[in-house]
Amino acid sequence: EVQLLESGGGLVQPGGSLRLSCVASEITLRNYAMSWVRQAPGKGLEWVSGISISGVNTYYADSVKGRFTISRDNSKNTLYLQMNSLRAEDTAVYYCATLLMSYFDSWGQGTLVIVSS
Amino acid sequence: EIVLTQSPAILSLSPGERATLSCRASQSVINYLAWYQQKPGQAPRLLIYDASNRATGIPARFSGSGSGTDFTLTITSLEPEDFATYYCQQRSSWPPLFSFGPGTKLEIK
Repeated sequence: EVQLLESGGGLVQPGGSLRLSCVASEITLRNYAMSWVRQAPGKGLEWVSGISISGVNTYYADSVKGRFTISRDNSKNTLYLQMNSLRAEDTAVYYCATLLMSYFDSWGQGTLVIVSS
Repeated sequence: EIVLTQSPAILSLSPGERATLSCRASQSVINYLAWYQQKPGQAPRLLIYDASNRATGIPARFSGSGSGTDFTLTITSLEPEDFATYYCQQRSSWPPLFSFGPGTKLEIK
């Protein structure tokens, strides 16, 4: 069974930065495109960013473009999301997920990011 | 930007009944449409991909249909564990951008 484990969430002040990590077990991440999806408290799902298998191609939602950077280290079986210039509206549970062409197959349990002063 | 709308927002049914959930796209997504189930405090779970293909381990009572702009998730006979929130999701052709519908909450009547 695929297991994805996110970490790095926490409380940060507006304008601050955080780096999220997603480590995979039972699968080799280098075989998958990956994405981050978030969910604000009591709200629906929002796609945040995606990255190709090689890491060369990256994609972002307009709401985070220019502030967030997705990357991967296939040697460490790890996906990252560097989040800068954080805003209150970035408060959410952040999930990493494997991306198979057009859908998200396996999901982690999420890590909570709270942006507040 | 492709926008997904889901109806109804809330669906109240009893166990054993049939559930029909709708998802409409603002423009054609061909068949790049997936459905997810989410229970409180849990991550979403993939149910249906490419409009009509059941994901691994998903019971046969779940089925998806549609193409273009109109899609349906059907649960033929509701089990107690099916009461949850359901999201549809699309992928645009290029660049590969994704969006989710606002969700349908399926609650016990």
